Amino acid sequence: DGGITQSPKYLFRKEGQNVTLSCEQNLNHDAMYWYRQDPGQGLRLIYYSQIVNDFQKGDIAEGYSVSREKKESFPLTVTSAQKNPTAFYLCASSRDRDFGYTFGSGTRLTVV
Amino acid sequence: AQSVTQPDIHITVSEGASLELRCNYSYGATPYLFWYVQSPGQGLQLLLKYFSGDTLVQGIKGFEAEFKRSQSSFNLRKPSVHWSDAAEYFCAVGPFGGSARQLTFGSGTQLTVLP
Repeated sequence: DGGITQSPKYLFRKEGQNVTLSCEQNLNHDAMYWYRQDPGQGLRLIYYSQIVNDFQKGDIAEGYSVSREKKESFPLTVTSAQKNPTAFYLCASSRDRDFGYTFGSGTRLTVV
Repeated sequence: AQSVTQPDIHITVSEGASLELRCNYSYGATPYLFWYVQSPGQGLQLLLKYFSGDTLVQGIKGFEAEFKRSQSSFNLRKPSVHWSDAAEYFCAVGPFGGSARQLTFGSGTQLTVLP
């Protein structure tokens, strides 16, 4: 079955550390997205990529970085510059906006 | 800029009762509209979508939504709620045409279902 796999499901980070969240899709979708979800704030776009080797900042890109070296993969790095990284992170992909987004099951990041 | 407002943060209904979740959007042209559902600790699942044509859209799990251009609304409805419908619901809007493939999400409505 095609889908999006996010790993790990839970991640703990110490202050000052960088961590990388994995997102892999086997849907042959061109576009991929990273969202951050905080209680009561809905989803906020961090980065998106419409094609391999290209990506754009979303609304809250500061303190995050991404890469898109393969169509299937869009990892997100939460750097030490992100002041409040504790959140639920969702990866999504789309073949085209007409079909809506397919979401992964998320990664919950906690700073300890 | 496009925006989405879900005026109800939390709604409680009894099992078997009807449900309507409100969504208002702001967009200068014809939008793409979506409803998603999220169970605790999970990703979002697409319930239904509207692009054009019939303004009453049928989705999965017995949900439907009606697009009203004059009111800039896309409310989600279900005639009889089941306990398994308890979840958080998100409305989203995207631009019609253009190159940007982004959706703007509302802040969500948490649905509680009483037995």
